[in-house]
Amino acid sequence: NAGVMQNPRHLVRRRGQEARLRCSPMKGHSHVYWYRQLPEEGLKFMVYLQKENIIDESGMPKERFSAEFPKEGPSILRIQQVVRGDSAAYFCASSPLRDRIYNEQFFGPGTRLTVL
Amino acid sequence: QKEVEQNSGPLSVPEGAIASLNCTYSDRGSQSFFWYRQYSGKSPELIMFIYSNGDKEDGRFTAQLNKASQYVSLLIRDSQPSDSATYLCAVNSGFQKLVFGTGTRLLVSP
Repeated sequence: NAGVMQNPRHLVRRRGQEARLRCSPMKGHSHVYWYRQLPEEGLKFMVYLQKENIIDESGMPKERFSAEFPKEGPSILRIQQVVRGDSAAYFCASSPLRDRIYNEQFFGPGTRLTVL
Repeated sequence: QKEVEQNSGPLSVPEGAIASLNCTYSDRGSQSFFWYRQYSGKSPELIMFIYSNGDKEDGRFTAQLNKASQYVSLLIRDSQPSDSATYLCAVNSGFQKLVFGTGTRLLVSP
């Protein structure tokens, strides 16, 4: 039973380049969440998606960041024109969402982004 | 005031002892509560969740919830060195996103 899959596990980009992070949820899960963990800080919610829909993007920076979860394929978090402050671990989580309260989220291994 | 507060630690306990980890939250409307374990350089691993006031036990782990006091705790019995990690408390207020505390670092010495 495969868990949440993320790739790449490590990504190095130079300032100004684009970073594209991918997440495939657990089998049977249709809800995806992205979180960011800055060094020595807690996990911060970024965005919540269902297939073809962004449900809540209240934690996403207004510029340069976007996310999608297409009908086919993985969810993608895209960061344009990366800056050093984007260096962090980006985690994807998925849930079966039995209802809005009982919502256990399972995390993938993360993508560690380093911006040079 | 932070939404979810945890003592950063480290909390040091000897092997075989009970480790007690605490968390308070500010949103009185919060409805579900989660404990994750995170080893250094790894991703969070869900170890317990609790939705109702009282205690919930799973093996060596017990989660305790007191909604009136806005307090949730995690007890680890018979602590092992392999339990040494950062424990993250997370709260769901019903809008699906989890709000995390900054975590408590637990050190279990042999």
